[in-house]
Amino acid sequence: AQSVAQPEDQVNVAEGNPLTVKCTYSVSGNPYLFWYVQYPNRGLQFLLKYITGDNLVKGSYGFEAEFNKSQTSFHLKKPSALVSDSALYFCAVRDAYYNQGGKLIFGQGTELSVKP
Amino acid sequence: EADIYQTPRYLVIGTGKKITLECSQTMGHDKMYWYQQDPGMELHLIHYSYGVNSTEKGDLSSESTVSRIRTEHFPLTLESARPSHTSQYLCASSDGLGQLSSGNTIYFGEGSWLTVV
Repeated sequence: AQSVAQPEDQVNVAEGNPLTVKCTYSVSGNPYLFWYVQYPNRGLQFLLKYITGDNLVKGSYGFEAEFNKSQTSFHLKKPSALVSDSALYFCAVRDAYYNQGGKLIFGQGTELSVKP
Repeated sequence: EADIYQTPRYLVIGTGKKITLECSQTMGHDKMYWYQQDPGMELHLIHYSYGVNSTEKGDLSSESTVSRIRTEHFPLTLESARPSHTSQYLCASSDGLGQLSSGNTIYFGEGSWLTVV
């Protein structure tokens, strides 16, 4: 079965410091990996995705993620955190066998808190 | 920016009432989804559609129903709301059909917060 794990419920970072939000996955076949961000009382906003090619993926708002096949990880990173980055972050994998319309399988989310 | 719209954004209704959550997208996407999310928790798929006249149930059992009469419209209906239905409902869409489109992005609406009292 395909799954995604986000091992940290919460990540605390000081503004200006680098941040990492961790994600590991388990899939059969090629992984299609996504990161979304959710601000309070809002829907999910797409940040970036890995389909194939370069292991370092760049996305919106200065975020990037590194795909590591040997470690089955897809950690989200940003070189310098902003207070406005504080939000709930979800890692997701697209069902490679295209079950249920190619649904996204989500991790449990990580709350990022950036302090001034 | 995704063009997918949900109404109402917030709704408080009494037990036993019938409600319909509207979802529309202007991107011409074939596939649409409904996810349910309790505050700060992970998302669970409750319904999905491959296209017009296609509706399927997702992973999480739900008493809601959906319809897909037009490509752009995917409403969700609760015939008799209960407090256990209190949650956020997120509509999403994606283009492409088949396994080759697995890399396509799924775009989400702003969500509908439902409270049943």
